[in-house]
Amino acid sequence: DTGVSQDPRHKITKRGQNVTFRCDPISEHNRLYWYRQTLGQGPEFLTYFQNEAQLEKSRLLSDRFSAERPKGSFSTLEIQRTEQGDSAMYLCASSNRQGNYGYTFGSGTRLTVV
Amino acid sequence: AQSVTQPDIHITVSEGASLELRCNYSYGATPYLFWYVQSPGQGLQLLLKYFSGDTLVQGIKGFEAEFKRSQSSFNLRKPSVHWSDAAEYFCAVAPYSGGGADGLTFGKGTHLIIQP
Repeated sequence: DTGVSQDPRHKITKRGQNVTFRCDPISEHNRLYWYRQTLGQGPEFLTYFQNEAQLEKSRLLSDRFSAERPKGSFSTLEIQRTEQGDSAMYLCASSNRQGNYGYTFGSGTRLTVV
Repeated sequence: AQSVTQPDIHITVSEGASLELRCNYSYGATPYLFWYVQSPGQGLQLLLKYFSGDTLVQGIKGFEAEFKRSQSSFNLRKPSVHWSDAAEYFCAVAPYSGGGADGLTFGKGTHLIIQP
């Protein structure tokens, strides 16, 4: 068990480009979450998967954002037509319901839109 | 909807001194409460969590927190801080819910500075 892995660690992109981030959760965790953290703020919930089903999406997740979790394993978060306001740390976390909310966070992907 | 308030944006403590970080939550039912620590450029590490039972919770790295329902508080404490404790600390709440989305709601964090 190597924890929650996120790739890439850093991404710099030009405004208007599409970007995709990947998250590999802890293998036995069936729940996966995406959060966004802007400078000086706490993480904000974006979306939640239980196995492969996306069960909840925050109002923060605009139409330009899409997340998938095929086969209930790794997840991807895509941002289309990036804007400067998308610059943030994108954090992934996983948990097992039986673990009593034992959320484990990855180290995050730092996105900078220039 | 639940919310978390961390009143102190920055706290400076001398190495070896005691520490208390404040957290107040707003939630209509019994919450799940958490404290996380984040070092610069890193993800979040769970320090401790409260679900039920004993209101004084022990965590990693010598931290503890006390749940006070009457004050809607979950303050984090450490008897003697070390320079390595300098970091950002986040309090978070999750709904006492058996189903649906159970994402965490975080406070804005408290930046801890350790003076030598």
